[in-house]
Amino acid sequence: NAGVTQTPKFQVLKTGQSMTLQCAQDMNHEYMSWYRQDPGMGLRLIHYSVGAGITDQGEVPNGYNVSRSTTEDFPLRLLSAAPSQTSVYFCASSERKGLEQFFGPGTRLTVL
Amino acid sequence: GESVGLHLPTLSVQEGDNSIINCAYSNSASDYFIWYKQESGKGPQFIIDIRSNMDKRQGQRVTVLLNKTVKHLSLQIAATQPGDSAVYFCAENMGTNAGKSTFGDGTTLTVKP
Repeated sequence: NAGVTQTPKFQVLKTGQSMTLQCAQDMNHEYMSWYRQDPGMGLRLIHYSVGAGITDQGEVPNGYNVSRSTTEDFPLRLLSAAPSQTSVYFCASSERKGLEQFFGPGTRLTVL
Repeated sequence: GESVGLHLPTLSVQEGDNSIINCAYSNSASDYFIWYKQESGKGPQFIIDIRSNMDKRQGQRVTVLLNKTVKHLSLQIAATQPGDSAVYFCAENMGTNAGKSTFGDGTTLTVKP
């Protein structure tokens, strides 16, 4: 199994641009989530999904959209990038909600 | 709001010594706790977990202790090795149906040879 994969690894955007961060898992996990990690800080939950077609907001959802059309994929969309969204983004999955999560390698995003 | 916090942001130990990383939580409704290890440039990796009906759980070289009276969690690493150098996070879940984990800010463990 590849586990949780994320693309791209690095991305630089200009303010106002939009983009999609990709996340996929091949473990048939029900639960998937997106976190952002800022320097010296823990992870903050952006959005999560408990199954295909079901998503919900986390702690810091503003400026981000998600969808879950399949069990495997959980893309994160930045609608209009802002410098405050400069961060490292991690996608994670677990067999079901409330269990330990498996994290992807992260996407390092810089917004100029 | 509720938060999970770690007592010390950094910890430096000698190779071979035991390490203790602490975590305080404030939500008495939390019933499932997880320790993650994050190496530089990588995503967090599951180490060990404990449910609130337990006081102690042991893994390979790691032990997690839970004190619900004072809402305190600790991770003990025996015979610390250079490969243990990383940032360690505790996370709390408010029930297996909550769907959300709250992470602390992390403790950076440095192991000196």
